[in-house]
Amino acid sequence: AQSVTQLDSQVPVFEEAPVELRCNYSSSVSVYLFWYVQYPNQGLQLLLKYLSGSTLVKGINGFEAEFNKSQTSFHLRKPSVHISDTAEYFCAVGDAGTYKYIFGTGTRLKVLA
Amino acid sequence: SAVISQKPSRDICQRGTSLTIQCQVDSQVTMMFWYRQQPGQSLTLIATANQGSEATYESGFVIDKFPISRPNLTFSTLTVSNMSPEDSSIYLCSARPLEDLRNEQFFGPGTRLTVL
Repeated sequence: AQSVTQLDSQVPVFEEAPVELRCNYSSSVSVYLFWYVQYPNQGLQLLLKYLSGSTLVKGINGFEAEFNKSQTSFHLRKPSVHISDTAEYFCAVGDAGTYKYIFGTGTRLKVLA
Repeated sequence: SAVISQKPSRDICQRGTSLTIQCQVDSQVTMMFWYRQQPGQSLTLIATANQGSEATYESGFVIDKFPISRPNLTFSTLTVSNMSPEDSSIYLCSARPLEDLRNEQFFGPGTRLTVL
C-alpha cells in the first residue's frame, strides 16, 4: 500500500531564509505527486504537481519541488520565505492504479520575523 | 477548475445528535470525496461519493455512521450520525473534474465540527 512520509512536523525559519520541506513516498509503480497548502481556517490549495516530464516542478508563490525517483522523494523548496507563507503543507501521492490520494501528516511552516 | 462551498462552516453539537454537511460545486464533476481532518492530523479519506449509487467507504468508516448522498453531479452531503466527542474534526469535501487521476482535487473550505 502507498504511504507518504513528511519527516518534519514543524519547521521554523526566519523571513527571507530558504526552506525545504521533505516528502518521501513508498511505491514501486508510477505515481503522481502533489503539494497542497492549508492556511489557518481554510481549505487546501494546490501549490504544484508532478505528473511526468521534467523532474523540477515550479508552482505558485515561488515554490518548487524536485521529483527524485531513485530516492522516492518530492521535496518542496522556496529560496526566500515570507511571513505569509506560514501555513500547513501537505504532500500527497496519487497512485496511477487507483483514483485515490494518500496524504502525508503535514509540515507546519512557521516563518519568523 | 472548480469552486467548492460547504455548509455549515462550523458547528457545535451535542453528543448523540446528527449533523448533515452540504458540499456544492460550481461545475459538474465526476468524482467527489469526503475527508476527515482530526485536530493536528492529516487528511483521511472517508468515502467516495458516487452519483446515482451508494458511496464507497474506506476501511474504518461505515455507512451507518457516515451516510452520504450524491443526487447529482454538483452536490453531495455527508451526515455524521450519533456523534461523540471523538467525531470533533474538520470535514472536507473535494472534487475532481475528470476521471483522469492526474487532475488535482479541488477542496472546499471545510466544516469545523465540535461535539460536546
